[in-house]
Amino acid sequence: GQSLEQPSEVTAVEGAIVQINCTYQTSGFYGLSWYQQHDGGAPTFLSYNGLDGLEETGRFSSFLSRSDSYGYLLLQELQMKDSASYFCAVRSDSGNTPLVFGKGTRLSVIA
Amino acid sequence: SQTIHQWPATLVQPVGSPLSLECTVEGTSNPNLYWYRQAAGRGLQLLFYSVGIGQISSEVPQNLSASRPQDRQFILSSKKLLLSDSGFYLCAWSDVHYEQYFGPGTRLTVT
Repeated sequence: GQSLEQPSEVTAVEGAIVQINCTYQTSGFYGLSWYQQHDGGAPTFLSYNGLDGLEETGRFSSFLSRSDSYGYLLLQELQMKDSASYFCAVRSDSGNTPLVFGKGTRLSVIA
Repeated sequence: SQTIHQWPATLVQPVGSPLSLECTVEGTSNPNLYWYRQAAGRGLQLLFYSVGIGQISSEVPQNLSASRPQDRQFILSSKKLLLSDSGFYLCAWSDVHYEQYFGPGTRLTVT
């Protein structure tokens, strides 16, 4: 089967750093993506890791360890607008198989 | 640039009524197309995906159906809505397979 595990909720203080973990068990693995979804809105793509290591995009970074079937999204210098749900998603092959999404982590940024 | 449209934005329908939600993509050819449903505060449930005209894969058995009459048009339908069909319906497209672009969504309430 296919399963992705991520915490359901995380709370962090404005200006701080937060890490959202994702572990996966899938029949195949080609890469890990992260999506952000604000309340009432649609998910938007944040990052993709196809290889082990860290990918940095501004305040957001994403990490992958294929040997550990694990990745994380790191958000630095948290802002109130970062309050949203964050989904990890696995691409299981190089073909047309749809992404498998985790259930999402709701991040609340507090003052 | 690519754009994805969904309509209507909100819909209130009685139990037993039919449903038709439409999604169109502009600015790309032969995209993969997806329909997801999201219950309040929950994750993304993949309903259907399509890799080409007339090619539909169903992920979850239910009273919904999908069709792709044109390359960039994806339609979600039901002959008789159930209360459990309420939710946030999202259409998405991808060409590079690890990145999906979501439409604005349709919030459906079945009463």
